[in-house]
Amino acid sequence: KAGVTQTPRYLIKTRGQQVTLSCSPISGHRSVSWYQQTPGQGLQFLFEYFSETQRNKGNFPGRFSGRQFSNSRSEMNVSTLELGDSALYLCASSLAFRSDTDTQYFGPGTRLTVL
Amino acid sequence: GQQLNQSPQSMFIQEGEDVSMNCTSSSIFNTWLWYKQDPGEGPVLLIALYKAGELTSNGRLTAQFGITRKDSFLNISASIPSDVGIYFCAGHKGGSEKLVFGKGTKLTVNP
Repeated sequence: KAGVTQTPRYLIKTRGQQVTLSCSPISGHRSVSWYQQTPGQGLQFLFEYFSETQRNKGNFPGRFSGRQFSNSRSEMNVSTLELGDSALYLCASSLAFRSDTDTQYFGPGTRLTVL
Repeated sequence: GQQLNQSPQSMFIQEGEDVSMNCTSSSIFNTWLWYKQDPGEGPVLLIALYKAGELTSNGRLTAQFGITRKDSFLNISASIPSDVGIYFCAGHKGGSEKLVFGKGTKLTVNP
């Protein structure tokens, strides 16, 4: 079974631009979560989608948004990029929504650099 | 947001040595997970723990879910160079709560 895939793997943008990242979960998984990882802050939760609905949201500004499609694939968008948005963006999938016996499996991440 | 207290932050050991790291919290968790992350890659799940007191092994790795449900530890026996990486603990409280992560333990193994 293929793992979580994320595209692109690397991205360089300039301040003020917007970016869209894509995540394909493990086949059969319906829940997708997004995280931002930086050396200083560690893994920070962005949001979670299940059945095309955002179920949970972290403490990030409205410039960060996402969506999930009917095939469970998800995209996240960051508008008006700032230098501080440079990070590894990780997507994780799980079978169901927020079951404490359900584990999350991570993709390889998208490394975003904002110049 | 809330994070787990993971220690130590980094470890430098010789190949063949055993390693121990732990995570603590002031809150109770229903699930503890341990991940390993290689540079430039996403975290890979090593061990999942679902029951207080549970002791689970995966090869040279052993992890335990603390009896109080507020802590967990991970042991690596007979370390090898490919054990190098960052190890993260994560806890889940159940229901609609999100997964909470520790800040990681960076492991360096000298051959």
